[in-house]
Amino acid sequence: NAGVMQNPRHLVRRRGQEARLRCSPMKGHSHVYWYRQLPEEGLKFMVYLQKENIIDESGMPKERFSAEFPKEGPSILRIQQVVRGDSAAYFCASSLTVNEKLFFGSGTQLSVL
Amino acid sequence: DAKTTQPNSMESNEEEPVHLPCNHSTISGTDYIHWYRQLPSQGPEYVIHGLTSNVNNRMASLAIAEDRKSSTLILHRATLRDAAVYYCILRDFNDYDMRFGAGTRLTVKP
Repeated sequence: NAGVMQNPRHLVRRRGQEARLRCSPMKGHSHVYWYRQLPEEGLKFMVYLQKENIIDESGMPKERFSAEFPKEGPSILRIQQVVRGDSAAYFCASSLTVNEKLFFGSGTQLSVL
Repeated sequence: DAKTTQPNSMESNEEEPVHLPCNHSTISGTDYIHWYRQLPSQGPEYVIHGLTSNVNNRMASLAIAEDRKSSTLILHRATLRDAAVYYCILRDFNDYDMRFGAGTRLTVKP
């Protein structure tokens, strides 16, 4: 039973490009969370999704950032027109139900040049 | 906006017990106390959680104060692989919300 899979593990983008981060939850999990972690800081909640629905995006910047969790396929965190301040580790987590423990992926390290 | 308070850092010697404290004076009756840890360059991993009674699992023990305003994560025999940031989090029993604070950075000395 594979864990939460995130890819790519490392992503390098130039300023103004788009970044697409993928997260495949654990088998059977329909709840997905995205977190961002800046260097030497804690994890900051970004968005919580259930299949095909965004439930809470209160932690996600209003501009340039979007997330989806389609009926088929992985969850995608999309950052348009990246800036240097977007450089961070982005972690995805999934859970079986709304209040079950979270299983985290290994993260995607985004570097913006 | 974390509802818990933890020391920034702690040190321990290898093979000795470690007690990691957490204060949560504003805890509500339906809040569970969760602990996660994050090893270097990895995503967080679940450690343990509880409501009122003390809890034990293969990784750790969780001691919860009688008034529930504080708790302690106990690692019975620290190893070098236990060096990580430990997060104490309150989560309502029927809620998805899982917000991480700064946590406690545990250093284990050989």
